[in-house]
Parts: sequence; structure tokens; C-alpha cells
Amino acid sequence: KQEVTQIPAALSVPEGENLVLNCSFTDSAIYNLQWFRQDPGKGLTSLLLIQSSQREQTSGRLNASLDKSSGRSTLYIAASQPGDSATYLCAARGGGSNYKLTFGKGTLLTVNP
Amino acid sequence: SQTIHQWPATLVQPVGSPLSLECTVEGTSNPNLYWYRQAAGRGLQLLFYSVGIGQISSEVPQNLSASRPQDRQFILSSKKLLLSDSGFYLCAWSVYSVGAGELFFGEGSRLTVL
Repeated sequence: KQEVTQIPAALSVPEGENLVLNCSFTDSAIYNLQWFRQDPGKGLTSLLLIQSSQREQTSGRLNASLDKSSGRSTLYIAASQPGDSATYLCAARGGGSNYKLTFGKGTLLTVNP
Repeated sequence: SQTIHQWPATLVQPVGSPLSLECTVEGTSNPNLYWYRQAAGRGLQLLFYSVGIGQISSEVPQNLSASRPQDRQFILSSKKLLLSDSGFYLCAWSVYSVGAGELFFGEGSRLTVL
């Protein structure tokens, strides 16, 4: 059974700092890994999708990497802004099922002005 | 472009009352559809998924059921709500493909059972 862990559970940084969010998964036989952002009381917004054959994906100030062999993914946020404050979740697809994503519990990020 | 609509956004229901949450997707055909529940401290739990009309797979035994009467419509129901059904319910879709599809979520429906 796939298990996804996100560390830290909460992170507070000053505006302008570069930061890294971590995601680990127990079963390396994944199809892809997806990062999401969730604002309070809202649905999830897809940020980046990394296919199993890829090592990283970039979108603006965001860069996500994937290392299947070690069961790890990181989300790098450059020059953080207060508007980046949200909960960030990672989810791994596969590891036994073609249709399910297994989610971590998220990292609550607060960027202080 | 594709959009996903989910309603109602918020509802408060008494124990034992019925439930119907609806989700529709626009701008795509034959999507995979999903219902998730997000409870405080427990993360997202997959409740149901569907790969086609009338095809529903249940992930967790519970007081809920799902139906897909049309290609882009997914409904979550209950005949009698329990207190433990309270939570944030999220509908999602992905392109119909094995494994590789990106998942897109609706805005969610917050259910409080009293």
C-alpha cells in the first residue's frame, strides 16, 4: 500500500526566501507525482505534474523534482511571496492502482511580509 | 478549456436526512471522475471513482453511494446521513488514460451533519 509523507507539516518563512517542501512515498512504482495548492476552504489547484520518466518540472517560480529510486519529490519555491501562503499537497499515482492518487497530509506554508 | 462545477458549496443537514452532491465537467469527453473527502487531520480519502457511465468503483465501505447518469455528471448521495459524514467533499476529473492523467479538482462542498 502506497504511503505519502510530507515534511514539515508547517513552515513559516519571511517574504523573499527560497524554500523547499518535501514529499516521500513508499512504493517507487508510480506513474506520476502531482503537486497541489489548497487555499483555506477551497478546492485543490494543480501546480505541477511530473511523469515517472521525468526528473523535474518547472512553472514560473516553482520547480518540482522527482527521484523515484529514493521515493522522494521536492517542490522548490523561489523568492516566496505572501500570496504563496497556502497548504501544499503532493500525491503519487500508481503503486498498485491505475486510477488512484495517494495524498500526503500537506505542508502549511506561511510567508510573512 | 475544461471546467468542473460542484454544488452546493455549503450545506448543513440533520442526522438521518438524505444527501445529494452534484458535479459536472465541461469541455472534455469521457473523463475519469472521482469523489474525495477531506477530513481534518486525515488528508484526502478517495471515496469513489468512475471510468464511464454507470461504472462506479467504491474505495471505502461507508454510508455513501455514487452514480454517473451522464458522461460528465457525477453524483454523491446518501439515504441517511451520519454525524461522521461531515467533511469537505471534493469532486475531481482526469483525462481518460491509464495512469498518466493530471487530476483537476472542483471547489468543494462543505457538509456539516448536526
